Amino acid sequence: SQTIHQWPATLVQPVGSPLSLECTVEGTSNPNLYWYRQAAGRGLQLLFYSVGIGQISSEVPQNLSASRPQDRQFILSSKKLLLSDSGFYLCAWSFGLGNQPQHFGDGTRLSIL
Amino acid sequence: KNEVEQSPQNLTAQEGEFITINCSYSVGISALHWLQQHPGGGIVSLFMLSSGKKKHGRLIATINIQEKHSSLHITASHPRDSAVYICAVNSGGSNYKLTFGKGTLLTVNP
Repeated sequence: SQTIHQWPATLVQPVGSPLSLECTVEGTSNPNLYWYRQAAGRGLQLLFYSVGIGQISSEVPQNLSASRPQDRQFILSSKKLLLSDSGFYLCAWSFGLGNQPQHFGDGTRLSIL
Repeated sequence: KNEVEQSPQNLTAQEGEFITINCSYSVGISALHWLQQHPGGGIVSLFMLSSGKKKHGRLIATINIQEKHSSLHITASHPRDSAVYICAVNSGGSNYKLTFGKGTLLTVNP
């Protein structure tokens, strides 16, 4: 069966510091991968998605970037965090063809001080 | 106006009650998803549907494409059903991008 791992679970970072959140999927190959952010009191917002290694689509302009160095690894990064980057970040995967359910990691709660 | 609207925003019920959460959308869709977010933040996919009705245990999801409306029903509710329920749609010809409602916070009291 497929599993998705996301870490760390919580993170407290100062403004201006770098960020690296990692997500890995096991038990499948060539999944679609997604990064979402859930700001306080707001719905989930798609940040990035990837349909293959090195293929990243950005949904909203922002202070973040994503990379997919391996088939089942998806990384969310920032060079300098802003206060507005605080939120709950979720990684998800789905099979690639057609409409498919998305399967979510447990999320990372990021607080910027 | 959000493309996906959920109601109610908050719902409190007594154990055993029948619960309905509604979702309306304003765009053409290829599929609609119901998700459950637990207090710790983890999200579980409950249903994906594009027509008709699906049932899993005490959960039932229906969709009316013509009316652009979906409902999630919980029969014989239990305190462990307490969670945020989120409606999301695949729209705009995209198989990947989901547009989410803001969620319905359900609290079931014993």
